[in-house]
Amino acid sequence: ETGVTQTPRHLVMGMTNKKSLKCEQHLGHNAMYWYKQSAKKPLELMFVYSLEERVENNSVPSRFSPECPNSSHLFLHLHTLQPEDSALYLCASSLYPPDLNYGYTFGSGTRLTVV
Amino acid sequence: GQQLNQSPQSMFIQEGEDVSMNCTSSSIFNTWLWYKQDPGEGPVLLIALYKAGELTSNGRLTAQFGITRKDSFLNISASIPSDVGIYFCAGLPVNNAGNMLTFGGGTRLMVKP
Repeated sequence: ETGVTQTPRHLVMGMTNKKSLKCEQHLGHNAMYWYKQSAKKPLELMFVYSLEERVENNSVPSRFSPECPNSSHLFLHLHTLQPEDSALYLCASSLYPPDLNYGYTFGSGTRLTVV
Repeated sequence: GQQLNQSPQSMFIQEGEDVSMNCTSSSIFNTWLWYKQDPGEGPVLLIALYKAGELTSNGRLTAQFGITRKDSFLNISASIPSDVGIYFCAGLPVNNAGNMLTFGGGTRLMVKP
């Protein structure tokens, strides 16, 4: 157990579907992050929430919609995705500002395939 | 944003060999972190470095915070098959108002038994 739990682990969806990714942490952290990891590409920061407020939105297309209802839960709502959105989506959490002894704690990711 | 150049991008080595990888930046960093991502999992923190010149070990892993504060190195001695994965450097740049970590592109390590 990493302390950050992501569900589902795998998701296959059509381009017209709507789905949501869920992330949950009970580490007492107050910041949560969504990253996209594509094959042979660096980790791409998508969204950051600190104290349940969005503090970063890295020019992500509107077909990705984050939601942070409380400091323990983070969602990524997906709709009308494209095949190039297929990737591993990683959630992470940390104290904010980050405790540099621990950095970010990552979940195991959701492997998303858009068909 | 800040860029971290991590090299090599991939390595294919024989079991028992030593491994070296590094991260460089044009900017000064306050902190360097090294993560490992096992296949199908999220990255896990291996080592954290806080001072220029600092050398820290974690088992067969040794990492150093470069004296110029613009680079960091990770060495793995006597590699074993379970060392396979992607190794990421990450850092906290000076003057980073957002306190957001910057990640390198990763080094994919493959170990031949």
